[in-house]
Amino acid sequence: QKEVEQDPGPLSVPEGAIVSLNCTYSNSAFQYFMWYRQYSRKGPELLMYTYSSGNKEDGRFTAQVDKSSKYISLFIRDSQPSDSATYLCATNTGNQFYFGTGTSLTVIP
Amino acid sequence: EPEVTQTPSHQVTQMGQEVILRCVPISNHLYFYWYRQILGQKVEFLVSFYNNEISEKSEIFDDQFSVERPDGSNFTLKIRSTKLEDSAMYFCASSPHDRVHEQFFGPGTRLTVL
Repeated sequence: QKEVEQDPGPLSVPEGAIVSLNCTYSNSAFQYFMWYRQYSRKGPELLMYTYSSGNKEDGRFTAQVDKSSKYISLFIRDSQPSDSATYLCATNTGNQFYFGTGTSLTVIP
Repeated sequence: EPEVTQTPSHQVTQMGQEVILRCVPISNHLYFYWYRQILGQKVEFLVSFYNNEISEKSEIFDDQFSVERPDGSNFTLKIRSTKLEDSAMYFCASSPHDRVHEQFFGPGTRLTVL
């Protein structure tokens, strides 16, 4: 069983739309959940991370964790063409990190 | 703004050759990592390094791989005898000791094994 599963998309939305990106995870012991953005042929860039359950907001981005269903989400409000990228969810045990396959997002002007 | 740097950006090698990929982590970070990403696939953890020793490693990180911090700034990944399936992007990352989840990734080294 994979530690983190993510729908690869691709996802295409019009500019200004609310985007919902989702992952599921397998191990209830996971505590931290990260979201990264990766542009083509670049290294991942950390957007935000959350600890345990609940929501965390940073500008247009909101990360949400539902530990009861082992479900993590990233919402992007007022999406912009510059948000077009691949979004990766990740978690860890100790200093070993597990990434989802990434969801490719295109925001159409 | 400080950043993780990696050299070379692209390395081409023959199967069976040894390669060394180099990284300069952010200067005040204490945790260092190597990941690989095969084209079109997910980012895979290889190894984490702290206090001059391996902290954790994945199943991928077998005896063909080694890491070293040869001086106060560089962090290297050595692949002893490259295989075709080692062709991938290799990313180095670093994080502060008190915020290990804030990992900063370098731009990657594209390794092509012929």
